[in-house]
Amino acid sequence: EPEVTQTPSHQVTQMGQEVILRCVPISNHLYFYWYRQILGQKVEFLVSFYNNEISEKSEIFDDQFSVERPDGSNFTLKIRSTKLEDSAMYFCASSGWETQYFGPGTRLLVL
Amino acid sequence: QKEVEQNSGPLSVPEGAIASLNCTYSDRGSQSFFWYRQYSGKSPELIMFIYSNGDKEDGRFTAQLNKASQYVSLLIRDSQPSDSATYLCAAFSGEIKAAGNKLTFGGGTRVLVKP
Repeated sequence: EPEVTQTPSHQVTQMGQEVILRCVPISNHLYFYWYRQILGQKVEFLVSFYNNEISEKSEIFDDQFSVERPDGSNFTLKIRSTKLEDSAMYFCASSGWETQYFGPGTRLLVL
Repeated sequence: QKEVEQNSGPLSVPEGAIASLNCTYSDRGSQSFFWYRQYSGKSPELIMFIYSNGDKEDGRFTAQLNKASQYVSLLIRDSQPSDSATYLCAAFSGEIKAAGNKLTFGGGTRVLVKP
């Protein structure tokens, strides 16, 4: 069964460093998303992406964040200068239509 | 602010019993609703979705939607210890069968199924 994959599974970084989280969506899906979940809190929407542009973004998704689809298979989330409060689980999701399927997540720890 | 609310639990259920989970939402524009299961430290795993008023059954799971009351529920029949997880309710505010819009998640209900 097709699934969303994400790398790395864990990332530890120093505050102020740049990180890139990678995702390979399900191959025939057209819509891509990033969500995050701070430990013990709700899953929060960050951004959606369609046809090589951002469809919608939340207030969390400020200038420090960017997304890119550098080729036909990968979808990346970049955090330019990480903060302590960026520590969270980051989930990539994709959908062919309205049903979103989630990847296993990247656990980001900012020290 | 569009909110989805769930009782955090834990909801303790004997093995073989029915677990009943509830979810309310504030945005009347919400059209579709999704139930995900999340094991500790793992990602949300889709159980089922519903967009029409009434009941929808899928195996041991039944979702119920009442748009007038802005209420969604999930019943888990014949609960098993492997059903012990956090169940997330999510609302989708796009047009029915549209795509690309965000999911708004509730905080989840933790379910414990005791053998």
